Amino acid sequence: NAGVTQTPKFQVLKTGQSMTLQCAQDMNHNSMYWYRQDPGMGLRLIYYSASEGTTDKGEVPNGYNVSRLNKREFSLRLESAAPSQTSVYFCASSEARLSYEQYFGPGTRLTVT
Amino acid sequence: AQKITQTQPGMFVQEKEAVTLDCTYDTSDPSYGLFWYKQPSSGEMIFLIYQGSYDQQNATEGRYSLNFQKARKSANLVISASQLGDSAMYFCAMRVLNTGNQFYFGTGTSLTVIP
Repeated sequence: NAGVTQTPKFQVLKTGQSMTLQCAQDMNHNSMYWYRQDPGMGLRLIYYSASEGTTDKGEVPNGYNVSRLNKREFSLRLESAAPSQTSVYFCASSEARLSYEQYFGPGTRLTVT
Repeated sequence: AQKITQTQPGMFVQEKEAVTLDCTYDTSDPSYGLFWYKQPSSGEMIFLIYQGSYDQQNATEGRYSLNFQKARKSANLVISASQLGDSAMYFCAMRVLNTGNQFYFGTGTSLTVIP
């Protein structure tokens, strides 16, 4: 039981390059989330998927796209990376119950030069 | 709009002492849940404790307790008998029933335990 896995763990991109961050969960959760974490800003929601087949914008969606490939997998794509997207990215999953916590992946540290 | 506020960027506590980390929240929805997470320097997010808006008693989990004051819209985390391993970032989060399963996070408090 791996929980939430993310790949890659580290990535360096040049401005304008594209990449996809992968996330998978094996807990059969309906909801999945992508956050970015910047110093002093806490976790900010980029996109989320309340259930398979749906995705919605969060607080900071500009410059990102997502795909909920199936119930297990939720990917985040940067089409044209910018230095402002340098951050640590976390994927999380949860069940659709108020009392249910989020389970987080280990994070991806992305640097855009 | 939903909002979580953590006003203490950094806190220090002596080992074995208790410490309170502040969290206030704002929502007009009567059904919500409040969560605390710990993030050590290694980076992973660890769930600590949960309090529901209808819960009559304050939540406790080992050395962690949540001081829930609904009228004040506060959900402070109390750590008793601090240990060196408690040094970490602590995040307060809220989940509101009618916002599509979103979680709202505060900006965090960095706790340092002094030996």
